[in-house]
Amino acid sequence: EAGVTQFPSHSVIEKGQTVTLRCDPISGHDNLYWYRRVMGKEIKFLLHFVKESKQDESGMPNNRFLAERTGGTYSTLKVQPAELEDSGVYFCASSQDPGANEKLFFGSGTQLSVL
Amino acid sequence: GNSVTQMEGPVTLSEEAFLTINCTYTATGYPSLFWYVQYPGEGLQLLLKATKADDKGSNKGFEATYRKETTSFHLEKGSVQVSDSAVYFCALPVNTNAGKSTFGDGTTLTVKP
Repeated sequence: EAGVTQFPSHSVIEKGQTVTLRCDPISGHDNLYWYRRVMGKEIKFLLHFVKESKQDESGMPNNRFLAERTGGTYSTLKVQPAELEDSGVYFCASSQDPGANEKLFFGSGTQLSVL
Repeated sequence: GNSVTQMEGPVTLSEEAFLTINCTYTATGYPSLFWYVQYPGEGLQLLLKATKADDKGSNKGFEATYRKETTSFHLEKGSVQVSDSAVYFCALPVNTNAGKSTFGDGTTLTVKP
């Protein structure tokens, strides 16, 4: 069974440019989460999809971030325009059971560098 | 709200050394506590958990005991190996949604042969 995959693994862009990150969850997982880790600090929750619906987007930092999950399969996270402080590692996770940490599967992350 | 404070890293040890990574928490009630590990190039994976006070979680030689009196959940291993080199995160749930767990800052462990 394929795990959670994220593309690209690394992205280097200039301030003001647009970047789109992609997450492919484990097949059949309705719950999809985005997180980011900035400056090697804590991993912060960004938002939660249940199928194609945004269940909770309380962690999204501002309106330069747009997440979508059309069709309830893969998800994209777009940053437009990117700022220096957006640099960090963006993680995605998926789960079929939102109540169980044991059943939360993470991707390896996208390292975003904004110059 | 719920939060965790994790010891700052990085930590560098020689093979077979004893490891302790400190984690303290602030929480309403008595939530489950978790340690996650991220090996190089991989996603986070659950290492161990404890669901109530005085519980000891264990896996791959690692242990952590849920201490209510000191609000701690320190990670320990008696003899580390090079393959244990990774980033370790302490975590606790914010609510019943595991995906909204609060994570610590992460501690990078490097084990040298």
